[in-house]
Parts: sequence; C-alpha cells; structure tokens
Amino acid sequence: AQTVTQSQPEMSVQEAETVTLSCTYDTSESDYYLFWYKQPPSRQMILVIRQEAYKQQNATENRFSVNFQKAAKSFSLKISDSQLGDAAMYFCAYRSWPFGGSQGNLIFGKGTKLSVKP
Amino acid sequence: DVKVTQSSRYLVKRTGEKVFLECVQDMDHENMFWYRQDPGLGLRLIYFSYDVKMKEKGDIPEGYSVSREKKERFSLILESASTNQTSMYLCASSLVLAGALETQYFGPGTRLLVL
Repeated sequence: AQTVTQSQPEMSVQEAETVTLSCTYDTSESDYYLFWYKQPPSRQMILVIRQEAYKQQNATENRFSVNFQKAAKSFSLKISDSQLGDAAMYFCAYRSWPFGGSQGNLIFGKGTKLSVKP
Repeated sequence: DVKVTQSSRYLVKRTGEKVFLECVQDMDHENMFWYRQDPGLGLRLIYFSYDVKMKEKGDIPEGYSVSREKKERFSLILESASTNQTSMYLCASSLVLAGALETQYFGPGTRLLVL
C-alpha cells in the first residue's frame, strides 16, 4: 500500500521569504499523481499544485513550485515570496494511475502547519 | 466555479443519536467522497461513491454508512454516534476524465462534537 509522509508537523517563515515543505511517499507503482492541497484556517481545502509522475519537468503555479525527485520518492513544495495568506495546513497527497474505482482515491500525508510571520 | 456545500459547519450531538451529514455539489461530478480529519492523522477516507447508488468503503468505514440517491448529493450517516466520532468531516467531489487528471474539490467541512 502507498504511504505519504510529511515529516514537518509545523513550519514558520518570514513574510517575503521562501519556505520548502517536505513530502516523501512510498509506492511500487511507476505511474501516479502527486498533489499539494492547502487548507487555510476555517476555510475550504483547495488544490495548490499537482504533478504527473511521468513528467520530468517540475510543476509551477505562480509563487508555488515543486521539486519532484522520482527516484528518491520526494515531492517538496516551495513557496516563494511568502505572504500572510499562505498561512495554512498543507497536505501532500498521492493518487494511483489508472484511477478506476478505489485506485482513484487520494492518500494524504498528515499535514504541515505553516505560519507566516509579518 | 465548482461549489461543494455541507449542510452544517458545526454540529453537537449526543451519544447514541443518529446523525446525518449532507453534502451537495453543483458541477455534475461523478465521484464523491467523505473524509474524516483529525489532528496529527491527516485526512482519512471513510466512503466514496463513483455513481448514483454506488458506494465503496474507504479506509475507516466502521460506524458509518452512506447514501447517494441523486448524483449531486452524498450523505454520511452515523447510525449511533459515539464520542470517538467527534471530528471534522470533509466532503469532496471530482469528475471522471478518462486519461486526464481530475481534481478533488472540497466542501467547508462539518465539525461534529459528540457528547
């Protein structure tokens, strides 16, 4: 069974600086998807960024980028120019490919709580 | 924008009560999910449904049941609430796009307290 590990329960960053959140996963599959979700305090969880394992190029969405190391099974999230609104719980998630039936379910890490200091 | 709504943000129930948590999505998504979120444990899948009247157990289905009579609505039922079911419950939905990468969209969550 696949597992997702986020080794940093909490992290803190100064506004305007860069922070990297770690995520490692364990799988025997060669094709899969990886996600980072953000859950602000008392607000809905939203997708931040996603990566297909077959793509070598790291995904980027504005200030958010990933460092995907397939051989090392590592999928870290880098937040550049941190803003107060980035303060949230961040969850790393894995999904198998193909995604029929239960294979389409997300497997989540336990989350990293990010604080942003003004 | 996709909208996933949940019937209550906060709910307080007594042990032994039957509890219904409702989730509605407005984007004609085939897949719907119920998760439980606890501090230090992340999100754990309770049940999911990939079509009307279809349901499958997730990782922690014990003590829960679900109902999906209409495509847009997915209900989570606690037949006899217990204190260890005090938690945040999140509903999500997603499309099925063959060969493509679909995103799960989450509701705001229901924080349930069982006394």
